[in-house]
Amino acid sequence: QAQLQQWGAGLLKPSETLSLTCVVSDGSFKNYYWNWIRQTPGKGLEWIGEVDDSGTSNYNPSLKSRVTISIDESKNHFSLKMTSVTAADTAVYYCASFPNYFDTWFDSWGQGTLVTVSS
Amino acid sequence: EIVLTQSPGTLSLSPGERATLSCRASQSVKNRYLAWFQQKPGQAPRLLIHDASRRATGIPDRFSGSASGTDFTLTISRLEPEDFAVYYCQQSEDLPFTFGPGTRVDIK
Repeated sequence: QAQLQQWGAGLLKPSETLSLTCVVSDGSFKNYYWNWIRQTPGKGLEWIGEVDDSGTSNYNPSLKSRVTISIDESKNHFSLKMTSVTAADTAVYYCASFPNYFDTWFDSWGQGTLVTVSS
Repeated sequence: EIVLTQSPGTLSLSPGERATLSCRASQSVKNRYLAWFQQKPGQAPRLLIHDASRRATGIPDRFSGSASGTDFTLTISRLEPEDFAVYYCQQSEDLPFTFGPGTRVDIK
């Protein structure tokens, strides 16, 4: 089970780009799927997208046009970029992982990062 | 997308009582693609149950899950003080993965 620790800017202005990174320790990139999930009081938990160990990604259609999830195996981390943020993107963002293509349960989570979008 | 509906929204119970939480999927979800999570204030969700009925590592046996068609149930046999929290179901049958809105279990 991977251990995840995340970091990134917590305060953004409208139209800026959100950038978060999640470092993976005590585990390997191989076979895992690396995800980003966000949580707001209004919409609850929302899956943003995933990337596998080959770099293939899938995104929530509601966010696909603005989101990129990538991996850097050499640095043991994966990242989220979301462009053109608005106040609606204010949320706690979590990185999370599941073990492989068949065992698709989120068994590891980062500690969460509160991202606030405000002018 | 698959919509998950949880009921009730809030469950007010006393320690030692039994809690029964429901999750209904808008379309077919195979058991292996349904999970339950517990979340406490200021913490990330924690995996309790996967494959609808299999406890995750370290989860006490007072937590159990079951399934019938598109209806899934999380049962806490005897509530301990640390069990008062919000519980979410989640499906990975189809993209996008989705979560239910949660059931809050609070102290009566």
